[in-house]
Amino acid sequence: ILNVEQSPQSLHVQEGDSTNFTCSFPSSNFYALHWYRWETAKSPEALFVMTLNGDEKKKGRISATLNTKEGYSYLYIKGSQPEDSATYLCAFKDSNYQLIWGAGTKLIIKP
Amino acid sequence: DVKVTQSSRYLVKRTGEKVFLECVQDMDHENMFWYRQDPGLGLRLIYFSYDVKMKEKGDIPEGYSVSREKKERFSLILESASTNQTSMYLCASSLEGHRPLHFGNGTRLTVT
Repeated sequence: ILNVEQSPQSLHVQEGDSTNFTCSFPSSNFYALHWYRWETAKSPEALFVMTLNGDEKKKGRISATLNTKEGYSYLYIKGSQPEDSATYLCAFKDSNYQLIWGAGTKLIIKP
Repeated sequence: DVKVTQSSRYLVKRTGEKVFLECVQDMDHENMFWYRQDPGLGLRLIYFSYDVKMKEKGDIPEGYSVSREKKERFSLILESASTNQTSMYLCASSLEGHRPLHFGNGTRLTVT
């Protein structure tokens, strides 16, 4: 059974601080790794789709890295703001093209 | 911007009722998906479709069916709602390849 683990489950961060969290996935049959942000009462929104080992992607204050050989991806948020409060989801896409989702990391920014 | 619209935000139904959840996307995407999201779990795929009139079972299809008569519309049907189908239901669409999913706002269904 393929498993995607996200840690921590939840995180409280002071406004202005930087933070990061992890997505672990199977290191075989890799096709892509997706990151999404899901704010309360909104729809999940795609942040990154990463496909190559060593990929680094950036969108504003948010960036992500990918290590397919060891099966992990990190999401970094620099200088957290209240609007960063959300659940961050990662999903592993295998060579059968199906997405397997982690349970998410819930990020709460304290003003 | 891609828009994925789910017909209801909140829905309360009784056990045994037939329930229809509708999803419409406006960007001519081939792929459409229905997921459910429960606390502490990742999104679980119920059904997906790669083309009109085509459907494939996901990981948890039992108790559900789907319909895709037009490219833009993908309906999820609960044939006889049960309390264990109380959940948040998310519809999504995408293009082929390394493209992200575009999600609707979700329908929170409560079955009493």
